[in-house]
Amino acid sequence: DGGITQSPKYLFRKEGQNVTLSCEQNLNHDAMYWYRQDPGQGLRLIYYSQIVNDFQKGDIAEGYSVSREKKESFPLTVTSAQKNPTAFYLCASRDSGEAKDTQYFGPGTRLTVL
Amino acid sequence: GESVGLHLPTLSVQEGDNSIINCAYSNSASDYFIWYKQESGKGPQFIIDIRSNMDKRQGQRVTVLLNKTVKHLSLQIAATQPGDSAVYFCAENIYGGSQGNLIFGKGTKLSVKP
Repeated sequence: DGGITQSPKYLFRKEGQNVTLSCEQNLNHDAMYWYRQDPGQGLRLIYYSQIVNDFQKGDIAEGYSVSREKKESFPLTVTSAQKNPTAFYLCASRDSGEAKDTQYFGPGTRLTVL
Repeated sequence: GESVGLHLPTLSVQEGDNSIINCAYSNSASDYFIWYKQESGKGPQFIIDIRSNMDKRQGQRVTVLLNKTVKHLSLQIAATQPGDSAVYFCAENIYGGSQGNLIFGKGTKLSVKP
């Protein structure tokens, strides 16, 4: 998991509620990403941020929102507009140092709608 | 092969045997490839990467082979151990690209029999 932490590990949401998933990194990486993973599926990009105070929609941004007020933090809010939010959510940051351009992932948050 | 719905391709091997996991990538312009290992309920873990100027790269007990002609990538695990049981998936991108967005395969489930 490197220096990326996600909390909580498990989250339960009632229908109509907004919930916020935390992602923090101490790797000094500029770029951060949020993915959603469903059983048997590849990772799908929700939002990404290349730098503080800037972020872009990924492939499945509808029903989600993010902020990037600090380099270390990239929280994801799952809003009531997301109709099928039950999934495993993964945060990552980009290591684009010498001879490398990869992403390292946090441990994930499993969100369940009750 | 590609997975359909909830069912990932599964590779079952005996402990001590070598494992070969395959991946077909999609973008001819991709020039950087990564293998990840994901254990149940955890975030993906970086295993090894390779750039397109190489055909082969070795790590500890793992080797990645790249065939750009047929857009194929493989991960070889030597002397497979029970702790290697996980889902393995490949990712591709354009090295140093402005967004750093990865394209992920759906994965192969490796099951190691003791």
